[in-house]
Amino acid sequence: EAGVAQSPRYKIIEKRQSVAFWCNPISGHATLYWYQQILGQGPKLLIQFQNNGVVDDSQLPKDRFSAERLKGVDSTLKIQPAKLEDSAVYLCASSLDLWAKAFFGQGTRLTVV
Amino acid sequence: DAKTTQPTSMDCAEGRAANLPCNHSTISGNEYVYWYRQIHSQGPQYIIHGLKNNETNEMASLIITEDRKSSTLILPHATLRDTAVYYCIVRGFSSGSARQLTFGSGTQLTVLP
Repeated sequence: EAGVAQSPRYKIIEKRQSVAFWCNPISGHATLYWYQQILGQGPKLLIQFQNNGVVDDSQLPKDRFSAERLKGVDSTLKIQPAKLEDSAVYLCASSLDLWAKAFFGQGTRLTVV
Repeated sequence: DAKTTQPTSMDCAEGRAANLPCNHSTISGNEYVYWYRQIHSQGPQYIIHGLKNNETNEMASLIITEDRKSSTLILPHATLRDTAVYYCIVRGFSSGSARQLTFGSGTQLTVLP
């Protein structure tokens, strides 16, 4: 069974540049999550989708971060412009529904220099 | 706000049982205890969850005290591949933030040869 796919695995950008991450959830999973994990900390939820609608984006820094899941399947997370403190691993997860256990991808490691 | 308290780190000898404690003294009646683990450079992996009865699956056992204020994750025969950060998470099933998987800092378990 295919898991959650994320790309790229690694990205290095300069501050003030923009970057986008892509996630393909497990087939049939209605709920999709984006987490940010700073080194040494646990993952922090940024945004949660149910199909193509946003369920929770209360911790998303909306002045620079945006995310979409237009057709209720794949999702992209964008940062524009990036700051040094955005250096982190960005994890995508999916679940069958809002209450099911979540499966995580391997993440994208972003380094902002 | 952290709902769980876990030791920062623990060691365990290979082949022995690893017992990882978690305190969740403010847990409410409809909240579950979830355990995830994160092996280095990978996304978190679901292990087990429970409400009030003890649970067992192919990966681990979860022992929840009668008052539900604490729990223990047991890996019966730890291997080197079990070295990871283990997260204990309290999760509700109502709407909103209570339903989210909110990660703390977890316990770094190191299995020693």
